[in-house]
Order: sequence, then structure tokens, then C-alpha cells
Amino acid sequence: DTGVSQNPRHKITKRGQNVTFRCDPISEHNRLYWYRQTLGQGPEFLTYFQNEAQLEKSRLLSDRFSAERPKGSFSTLEIQRTEQGDSAMYLCASSLGGSGNTIYFGEGSWLTVV
Amino acid sequence: GDSVTQMEGPVTLSEEAFLTINCTYTATGYPSLFWYVQYPGEGLQLLLKATKADDKGSNKGFEATYRKETTSFHLEKGSVQVSDSAVYFCALSTTNAGKSTFGDGTTLTVKP
Repeated sequence: DTGVSQNPRHKITKRGQNVTFRCDPISEHNRLYWYRQTLGQGPEFLTYFQNEAQLEKSRLLSDRFSAERPKGSFSTLEIQRTEQGDSAMYLCASSLGGSGNTIYFGEGSWLTVV
Repeated sequence: GDSVTQMEGPVTLSEEAFLTINCTYTATGYPSLFWYVQYPGEGLQLLLKATKADDKGSNKGFEATYRKETTSFHLEKGSVQVSDSAVYFCALSTTNAGKSTFGDGTTLTVKP
């Protein structure tokens, strides 16, 4: 069990640029989640996948955000035309099955938009 | 919708003091309840959980009891250590949703 891996860990980008984050979940986990966390707040749900299917998307996830999980393994979160308000930590998590099961978080990817 | 309200911080305690961090929730259905801990520079780690009413979750000396009648899941520890200094998040997850809803976190600082 190597845990949930995210990269890059830190990204500084200019406003208007596109960025992509990658998440490698724990290998046998069928559920994968993306959250966003800003300073002083708890994680906010963005989207989740069960295997390769994206089952729910938050209204926080504007059209500039897209997530994929091809083949039900790793996932990518792309933000197009970044804005300063996108600056946050983007957390990936994975779990095996439903709501009572433990969710394992990665260490997050910090995005700073300048 | 679902929501979690945590006691506001920061909380500062002396070593060996008793800790309580309050957490109340609003949810549709019957949620599972969690406490996560985030140490400086690290990701969130599950501290403990309870999946049904009256269950008690416990780990590393921390405890929390799922109280359906008061919709609460307060975190307690009898004697805190400096190494417990971290941010603590209360969260819930409902049966039909694939997501967890988090509180805003409570920062705990324990002084020697």
C-alpha cells in the first residue's frame, strides 16, 4: 500500500494558463474523489468517480474544470484559463466502496495563480 | 443539504489537559461520522469514525460518540500531548452520496 499519490505538489502559474494535476489512488480502490481546500476552511467536494464513471460533480466545478479517470486507475484534474480565485490546495482521495469506508487522502497539490 | 459545524478555534491547551472539540451536523439520511487530523505539512488522516447511532469511535486516546438525538460527534481526549498539535476536521458521509462534507477545522496547539 503506497498510499494516494499526487503531483505536482506545488504549482505556480500565471492567470489564464491551464494546469493539470494527477492523482494515483490506492490500487484496489474503486472510488476516487477530488476536493478543494483553502486556508482556514475544510475540504470542499468537487467530484468523484466510481471506477471510470464520473458520478457526481459539485456546482463548485465550473466549466473551466474537468476531471477524468481513464480506465478507472489514475485521475487528472485540469483547470483551464486559471483565475486567482482558483488558488487553493487540491486534494485527491480514494476509497473502497461506500460511505462508511475509510477515505484515504493524498498530501494535496498546492496551486498559486499569480 | 448536509452540513457540519465545528467549534471555532484556535484552541490552546497545556500538556495533559482535557480536550473537547464540539461537532454538530445536519444530514439527510443516516450519515457516517468521522474525525480527521491534519498535522503541519501533511495530508488529512482518518483519526476515528462511527457508522451508526451510539457507536463510539476511538484511536490514539481520542474518542467520539455518535449521538443521533443531539446530532453531535464531539471529540475528546483525556490528556493531550504536544504531538497532538494539529488541525482537526469533523466530517460526515451519507449512504447515497459519494462525498464527505467537512467542517472548517479546529486548530489545536498543545504547549509543554
